[in-house]
Amino acid sequence: QKEVEQNSGPLSVPEGAIASLNCTYSDRGSQSFFWYRQYSGKSPELIMFIYSNGDKEDGSFTAQLNKASQYVSLLIRDSQPSDSATYLCAVKSGSQGNLIFGKGTKLSVKP
Amino acid sequence: SAVISQKPSRDICQRGTSLTIQCQVDSQVTMMFWYRQQPGQSLTLIATANQGSEATYESGFVIDKFPISRPNLTFSTLTVSNMSPEDSSIYLCSVAWGGGDTQYFGPGTRLTVL
Repeated sequence: QKEVEQNSGPLSVPEGAIASLNCTYSDRGSQSFFWYRQYSGKSPELIMFIYSNGDKEDGSFTAQLNKASQYVSLLIRDSQPSDSATYLCAVKSGSQGNLIFGKGTKLSVKP
Repeated sequence: SAVISQKPSRDICQRGTSLTIQCQVDSQVTMMFWYRQQPGQSLTLIATANQGSEATYESGFVIDKFPISRPNLTFSTLTVSNMSPEDSSIYLCSVAWGGGDTQYFGPGTRLTVL
């Protein structure tokens, strides 16, 4: 059974701080990794994807991938209250595999 | 990305009835998927909607309960048949191009079954 694990939170950080969200996955054959943001009552919105080991930066978001440790993380710099949402980690195994989603981490950014 | 719409946005249905949910994209896409998100849970893939052929269902989901159509490259429907309260959930379609790596989600349909 392929699994994607996330700490459900809630993770609470003060405004302006760095929020660090973590995700581990069970399938070593996983090749593609995604972070989605989901506001309450809304559908998931893609914010980052990463395929290679290392860091990938996009605006205030940084995704980090370590395939040896089967670990992917998302850093949100200068967190704002508008970043308060549930963040879903998704992993794709192989070229024909489907996305497997974690249960999400709820982030709360306090003013 | 593309503009993805779903109809209806929400519905309240009686036990034993069926509901068909539509997903429309404003451009041709390679792949369309249907997910379920139960209250407080993450997303579970129901099936991949294949254009011109039968959908590919995930373990635990069957065609009799969740018939899917995809008549062209911009449109798909999911029917939730013979509903029970356990079917109360948010149903989401997603689309992708190429190999389906990067998926974009529609706004979802919130279904309540009484």
